[in-house]
Amino acid sequence: GQQVQQSPTSLVLQEGENAELQCNFSTSLNSMQWFYQRPGGSLISVFYNPSGTKQSGRLTSTTVIKERRSSLHISSSQITDSGTYLCALGLTFGLGTRVSVFP
Amino acid sequence: AQTIHQWPVAEIKAVGSPLSLGCTIKGKSSPNLYWYWQATGGTLQQLFYSITVGQVESVVQLNLSASRPKDDQFILSTEKLLLSHSGFYLCAWSLWNYAEQFFGPGTRLTVL
Repeated sequence: GQQVQQSPTSLVLQEGENAELQCNFSTSLNSMQWFYQRPGGSLISVFYNPSGTKQSGRLTSTTVIKERRSSLHISSSQITDSGTYLCALGLTFGLGTRVSVFP
Repeated sequence: AQTIHQWPVAEIKAVGSPLSLGCTIKGKSSPNLYWYWQATGGTLQQLFYSITVGQVESVVQLNLSASRPKDDQFILSTEKLLLSHSGFYLCAWSLWNYAEQFFGPGTRLTVL
């Protein structure tokens, strides 16, 4: 079946540092989506990015379907960026990257 | 604008008791609807999906059932809860298969 793998599993950042989260998938499905989740919270869509590059504020997502990968770049991280970032290919979710940003 | 509501916000239930969770989407006609389950500390697992009223497909068997009695309503239920049913239940919608998904606020279920 379809597989979605995220790396790293967790990330600790000092405020202001940049970070790159990776998502690799096993099939060339045109439906990559990134979500943000606070502990105990629901999923907030960060990007729906089936291909190419999208930017919103300090967040940038790049999806390269033929290489079966997508990335989420956080620039100048802030404490409020802390949480879990999940990527999903269609209806299959990765295990997430837990991001912790400290002052 | 589309809104998605889930009820209840949280439930504490006894093993063996029945359960019914609800999800309503307003502002969108004939959406695809999905139920997901997330164990504490785990990832999301799709449980059911529905593309039209009265039709529900099961993805994972967890002794749960789902129904779509109206175009904008999706119900998750069981007659007998198990301890393993504890977790976070999320409802989502999309315009079509593999389109962008939008999630509801979720229901936290604790089975004791």
